[in-house]
Amino acid sequence: AQSVAQPEDQVNVAEGNPLTVKCTYSVSGNPYLFWYVQYPNRGLQFLLKYITGDNLVKGSYGFEAEFNKSQTSFHLKKPSALVSDSALYFCAVTGGKLIFGQGTELSVKP
Amino acid sequence: DVKVTQSSRYLVKRTGEKVFLECVQDMDHENMFWYRQDPGLGLRLIYFSYDVKMKEKGDIPEGYSVSREKKERFSLILESASTNQTSMYLCASMSGGTGELFFGEGSRLTVL
Repeated sequence: AQSVAQPEDQVNVAEGNPLTVKCTYSVSGNPYLFWYVQYPNRGLQFLLKYITGDNLVKGSYGFEAEFNKSQTSFHLKKPSALVSDSALYFCAVTGGKLIFGQGTELSVKP
Repeated sequence: DVKVTQSSRYLVKRTGEKVFLECVQDMDHENMFWYRQDPGLGLRLIYFSYDVKMKEKGDIPEGYSVSREKKERFSLILESASTNQTSMYLCASMSGGTGELFFGEGSRLTVL
């Protein structure tokens, strides 16, 4: 069965430190991979996507994600976290239809 | 600026009432979606539509129906609301097969 896993419900980071939000997937073929962000009481916003090519994808607000085919992972990263990055982050993958992970709450403390 | 508009941000309804959630997009997208978001469960697809008057069931269609009479509008209908349908409902649209969704702000429904 096709699935997406975000193994951490919550990630806590100090402002200025690097952050990683993890995502692994199980989809046949060559999927498209996405990250979305949701701020409180808002809809989801697109951050970045991987389709093909360079394994390191750059997106909005200084975020980037690294595609690793052998580990079937697509972790979201940022070199220096901001308090304003605190939000709910969703990984998603196409496997015929778009499948979302359960979300990871990122909390960045000053 | 692209936009997906959900008509109601917050609704409170009683068990058994009929509920309409409206969604309009101004991007001329072919595909529109209704998701339900619950804590710990992520987003679950209720229904989607890839063209006017076309609809496909998602993962959790039971208790819901949809209508797409015009390209820009996709409505979610709860024929007889129940308390277990209390949730955040998110509408989204997508152009072609890009996979990139544009979401509305969400409609938080409480069924008493």
